[in-house]
Amino acid sequence: DIQVTQSPSSLSASIGDTVTITCRASQTLDRYLHWYQHKPGKAPHLLIYTATTLQSGVPSRFSGSGFTTEFTLTISSLQPEDFATYYCQQTYSHPHTFGQGTKLEIK
Amino acid sequence: QVQLQESGPGLVKPSETLSLTCTVSGASISGLYWSWIRQPPGKGLEWIGNVYYSGGTNYNPSFKGRVTISVDMSKNQFSLNLSSVTAADTALYYCARVLVGSHCYAMDVWGQGTSVTVSS
Repeated sequence: DIQVTQSPSSLSASIGDTVTITCRASQTLDRYLHWYQHKPGKAPHLLIYTATTLQSGVPSRFSGSGFTTEFTLTISSLQPEDFATYYCQQTYSHPHTFGQGTKLEIK
Repeated sequence: QVQLQESGPGLVKPSETLSLTCTVSGASISGLYWSWIRQPPGKGLEWIGNVYYSGGTNYNPSFKGRVTISVDMSKNQFSLNLSSVTAADTALYYCARVLVGSHCYAMDVWGQGTSVTVSS
């Protein structure tokens, strides 16, 4: 199985800050890496697919980069509604594993 | 607007089989993959498996053969069966739509989740 290591596991930031979350894979994923936002009591929400493509309706302050084994999610100008847990997921090969998650909290 | 809704018992006894159904509205099951994911209390998301509308499946080996995912096209539903459950299977269970092509198996629509507790 492909292992996906996400860091940091938690992050404190203020409104207006820019934050970066990283996922590293144990082998190449090409661009088969996606990012989700998850808030308590709600369904996870697809933010970015294939590493860099913004899902329809997602604000442009979210961006993704990376290729093969290292990927980043950047959130610019943090808004109150951005405080949530973020997950990456690889779909290069089965099983389609998730990273461990990054909980973004208000400082 | 595509919507997914999970349903099934909220309480299952140890050693029994957990059975959940995901009802799809606003779109046909046909032509797509569909997935099950779970989140144990205090933990992250875990991919369980997926099913193609024609019945082909892929499962997470960590479930050691306990998982079966199937499709009922006549009802526009797909289902999850997890056998020989233990307390470790207590979780919030989600179903999701999987997009292939340019989305490369990303999951763009999710159900709200259903909580399942394994306890006697």
